[in-house]
Amino acid sequence: GAVVSQHPSRVICKSGTSVKIECRSLDFQATTMFWYRQFPKQSLMLMATSNEGSKATYEQGVEKDKFLINHASLTLSTLTVTSAHPEDSSFYICSARDPRGLNTEAFFGQGTRLTVV
Amino acid sequence: AQTVTQSQPEMSVQEAETVTLSCTYDTSENNYYLFWYKQPPSRQMILVIRQEAYKQQNATENRFSVNFQKAAKSFSLKISDSQLGDTAMYFCAFLKAGGGNKLTFGTGTQLKVEL
Repeated sequence: GAVVSQHPSRVICKSGTSVKIECRSLDFQATTMFWYRQFPKQSLMLMATSNEGSKATYEQGVEKDKFLINHASLTLSTLTVTSAHPEDSSFYICSARDPRGLNTEAFFGQGTRLTVV
Repeated sequence: AQTVTQSQPEMSVQEAETVTLSCTYDTSENNYYLFWYKQPPSRQMILVIRQEAYKQQNATENRFSVNFQKAAKSFSLKISDSQLGDTAMYFCAFLKAGGGNKLTFGTGTQLKVEL
């Protein structure tokens, strides 16, 4: 199946700094990627839909200036957590759908555990 | 808007036994897809099984099968011959047909397979 790679898998940063998370589709081109946040023992919460070559679409309640999304190519989307605070500590996951075939199965990155200290 | 409900936060099953996880959903759409995803302790999301709403036949993948009841908007997952590696969080998900649409996830069921 298609592969989505997310990097880094784990990051610790100081309050006030920014952190960038990368999501790459390795063997297909993804015009759309999705960014999720997951709290312990909870479901995935969609943060935003990343669109190649255009602005991301943010879900209600998600601060677009806080969570910057850039989808500059068909294989790479980045999520930057700006001026991070301890409450931003969470597990972040990206996904993309392979446009070949039925274009229904979402492939997920390995996730990034962010800890802000 | 769609909603997906998983009413069982936690379940346990003995190894080699069969377990059924429940999922119901609400939608006004007629053309959609349903999924079960597994998230083991590694937290990597893995597709378990997919069902197209226009297909009456229930999907099966080896030990995994679904009971899809479109009129009742029910989509349960049956795991046969449970194995220790099946221990994971299981999420039911809904996808409206059409490109670019987003998945709607249920709250998840934590399944523990015991010896």
